[in-house]
Amino acid sequence: DQQVKQNSPSLSVQEGRISILNCDYTNSMFDYFLWYKKYPAEGPTFLISISSIKDKNEDGRFTVFLNKSAKHLSLHIVPSQPGDSAVYFCAALPNRDDKIIFGKGTRLHILP
Amino acid sequence: DGGITQSPKYLFRKEGQNVTLSCEQNLNHDAMYWYRQDPGQGLRLIYYSQIVNDFQKGDIAEGYSVSREKKESFPLTVTSAQKNPTAFYLCASSRAQTGLNYGYTFGSGTRLTVV
Repeated sequence: DQQVKQNSPSLSVQEGRISILNCDYTNSMFDYFLWYKKYPAEGPTFLISISSIKDKNEDGRFTVFLNKSAKHLSLHIVPSQPGDSAVYFCAALPNRDDKIIFGKGTRLHILP
Repeated sequence: DGGITQSPKYLFRKEGQNVTLSCEQNLNHDAMYWYRQDPGQGLRLIYYSQIVNDFQKGDIAEGYSVSREKKESFPLTVTSAQKNPTAFYLCASSRAQTGLNYGYTFGSGTRLTVV
């Protein structure tokens, strides 16, 4: 049973617009949430994270929002750029557990 | 520069053969992980090790084996018992859980193809 769910396998967004990637989770004990970005034939790279005690974290064009009551987080990218085309993995770190749990990923296409 | 190195980048194996994928890190990380990526499946955990000479099975360990004789190295052997070995394999490392550090550093991956 998936604990971290990314229900949209792919998303297409016009260059310059906002990209919103969504993620749902089932375990209210998750301590941290992370987003990783992955290009084809490369390893994922860490993008941004948020602690469960916060509801927003911003880093340049990237903002992650956390809604604990809904067990939902989202990654906003604004403005979207061609280099943002990649697979984005939502991930969660359970409290007192070293293993990160990954979602299945969402492929983002930025259209010219 | 510290990092995590996987080799080779591409690997071809004949059916029935074992093959070993290399993963080396110089980040002084305690924990190391092996994931497999298949289309539509995301990242699935094969094995992980939180300390030298100790490792645990992940979600899809069948047909794989690992060793952790040194802190820097965590090789993965894909055995002939693995039914669908063709995939992209990713190695990762992290510091031990402290409550403060929570990220993985990934290698660039190895594409294994069974021919």
